[in-house]
Amino acid sequence: GENVEQHPSTLSVQEGDSAVIKCTYSDSASNYFPWYKQELGKRPQLIIDIRSNVGEKKDQRIAVTLNKTAKHFSLHITETQPEDSAVYFCAASNGNRDDKIIFGKGTRLHILP
Amino acid sequence: NAGVTQTPKFQVLKTGQSMTLQCAQDMNHEYMSWYRQDPGMGLRLIHYSVGAGITDQGEVPNGYNVSRSTTEDFPLRLLSAAPSQTSVYFCASRSLGVMDTEAFFGQGTRLTVV
Repeated sequence: GENVEQHPSTLSVQEGDSAVIKCTYSDSASNYFPWYKQELGKRPQLIIDIRSNVGEKKDQRIAVTLNKTAKHFSLHITETQPEDSAVYFCAASNGNRDDKIIFGKGTRLHILP
Repeated sequence: NAGVTQTPKFQVLKTGQSMTLQCAQDMNHEYMSWYRQDPGMGLRLIHYSVGAGITDQGEVPNGYNVSRSTTEDFPLRLLSAAPSQTSVYFCASRSLGVMDTEAFFGQGTRLTVV
């Protein structure tokens, strides 16, 4: 089955700097890659997603890139702000097979003042 | 519009007790799933369903049962609770179609087994 690896597990960046979180997946048939943000004590919420027919997607300060050949995808947050502090999860899904979503282990992002 | 509703929010069980975590969604989503979240382990899929009458195992199904008799409800049953099942449980649902769509999560159930 699908396996999603996520790095780093913890990331600290100065406010205003950029943060990058990287994920790899094992199933070459996966075709949907969402990213979720979970604030302390809250439920995970989608922040951005990308499908396998697209190499990059951007939404204001966040962007996701996908390299299908290498089977890895990354989340980029620019001009980080205190409210970006949270746990971020990447995930992969194969909508053509069984639609289940498999998550990485998460990255705890700290924005330093 | 309530979205995905889980009950209870908190629960303490004794080892060997049984209980059912409830999950209901009002978005007419075909897909529903249960995850457990443990420190450093991310969100691990327990069971999922792509429609009423259809269920399948995820990554960590042992010790849990599910059923899907209606589109709206997807209860998770612990038949004989163990301390290893202490965790935060999330239910999630999504619409299925030509394009993949985001999963919406419930608020979570914090379960402690003593």
